[in-house]
Amino acid sequence: QSVLTQPPSVSAAPGQKVTISCSGSSSNIGNNFVSWYQKLPGTAPKLLIYGNNKRPSGIPDRFSGSKSGPSATLGITGLQTGDEALYYCAMWDSSLSGVLVFGGGTKLTVL
Amino acid sequence: EVQLVESGGGLVQPGRSLRLSCAGSGFTFGDYAMSWVRQAPGKGLEWLGFIRGRGYGGTAEYAASVKGRFIISRDDSKTTAYLRMSSLKAEDTAVYYCARSVVVLNDDSYYYYMDVWGKGTTVTVSS
Repeated sequence: QSVLTQPPSVSAAPGQKVTISCSGSSSNIGNNFVSWYQKLPGTAPKLLIYGNNKRPSGIPDRFSGSKSGPSATLGITGLQTGDEALYYCAMWDSSLSGVLVFGGGTKLTVL
Repeated sequence: EVQLVESGGGLVQPGRSLRLSCAGSGFTFGDYAMSWVRQAPGKGLEWLGFIRGRGYGGTAEYAASVKGRFIISRDDSKTTAYLRMSSLKAEDTAVYYCARSVVVLNDDSYYYYMDVWGKGTTVTVSS
């Protein structure tokens, strides 16, 4: 059981917007930085967001990240069928000599 | 092109040991931390640990779930990181990924994120 809680699944139609939450506590997410990863079956995870809201080069601005208090959110606009995947939040906890924790993952279905 | 390639996976009996390798290319390997992450069948991603780059002492940290059984090391001259797994159990069956890890200094704190991943190597623990 992860300290970061994600909904097991979300769904939306192509072209629509979806948000995926990642809930922790004020002592973990509230004090640390969150990254988001996309995982397609049979492929390596892909970095989407780091530092709560920063996009690496090559990631379209359809993907966005935010954080407020004990929760972080991944937003995806203009949904495409290719966005159907598992999405994981992750938090680096520097207070514990350095450990990283993943959320349980959210399955996005593009209807 | 920045690339990571894992190797060393396979079928191993419970209780035995196995060493995975992660060969990096296309970047200055020693400047980066390297993480290991696994995904068991039907399960989510699990961070196992990482080893800091040479600028930060090259020390390793581990998830509580594997501390004492898994050891991460690196040989920067070979641009390779390693994951040594001991006393393997059936529940260690998973796809194992290595990932380049970037450190960001932020005011009085820091954090890491994983920006480049290998394609993974499969470990099956079974008799």
